[in-house]
Amino acid sequence: AQTVTQSQPEMSVQEAETVTLSCTYDTSESDYYLFWYKQPPSRQMILVIRQEAYKQQNATENRFSVNFQKAAKSFSLKISDSQLGDAAMYFCAYRRANAGGTSYGKLTFGQGTILTVHP
Amino acid sequence: DTEVTQTPKHLVMGMTNKKSLKCEQHMGHRAMYWYKQKAKKPPELMFVYSYEKLSINESVPSRFSPECPNSSLLNLHLHALQPEDSALYLCASSQMGSNQPQHFGDGTRLSIL
Repeated sequence: AQTVTQSQPEMSVQEAETVTLSCTYDTSESDYYLFWYKQPPSRQMILVIRQEAYKQQNATENRFSVNFQKAAKSFSLKISDSQLGDAAMYFCAYRRANAGGTSYGKLTFGQGTILTVHP
Repeated sequence: DTEVTQTPKHLVMGMTNKKSLKCEQHMGHRAMYWYKQKAKKPPELMFVYSYEKLSINESVPSRFSPECPNSSLLNLHLHALQPEDSALYLCASSQMGSNQPQHFGDGTRLSIL
């Protein structure tokens, strides 16, 4: 079974600084997708960034980028120029590619990292 | 703006009550999901609907009964719930395809007295 581990229950960063959130996963699959979701205190879970395992190039979305190391099964999220609005719980998630039947749609989440941004 | 709309936002019910949670999306997504989330924990998948058919039931107790009346609506019927069922219930939807991200609603905060 796939597992996702976020080893940092809490992190903090000063506004305008850079912070990196860690995520490792365990899978025997070669094709899969990885996601970072953000859940602010207002509750709505929002997609931050996604990465296809077959792509070597790291995904980037504005101030958010990932460091995807497939061999090491590591998928960290870097937030540059942190803003107060980045404060949230961040979840790393894994999904098998081309999964059908009873596996379809299953996202495996990590335990989450609470990010605090100090002004 | 939330593209997945969940009602009600808050619900308090007794253990003998029957209530329903509603979820609606108009993005043309054909996969819809129910999750249960406890405070400071990741969401736990409960049900998945694909093309209005139930495709995954994660061994959820029968006191939770999902329904997908059409491609835009997803309901979760609740009956005889237990105090441990108090949680945030999240609905999500997505296009079909493993690379498609799930879009989440704001959730319904459920409290069982």
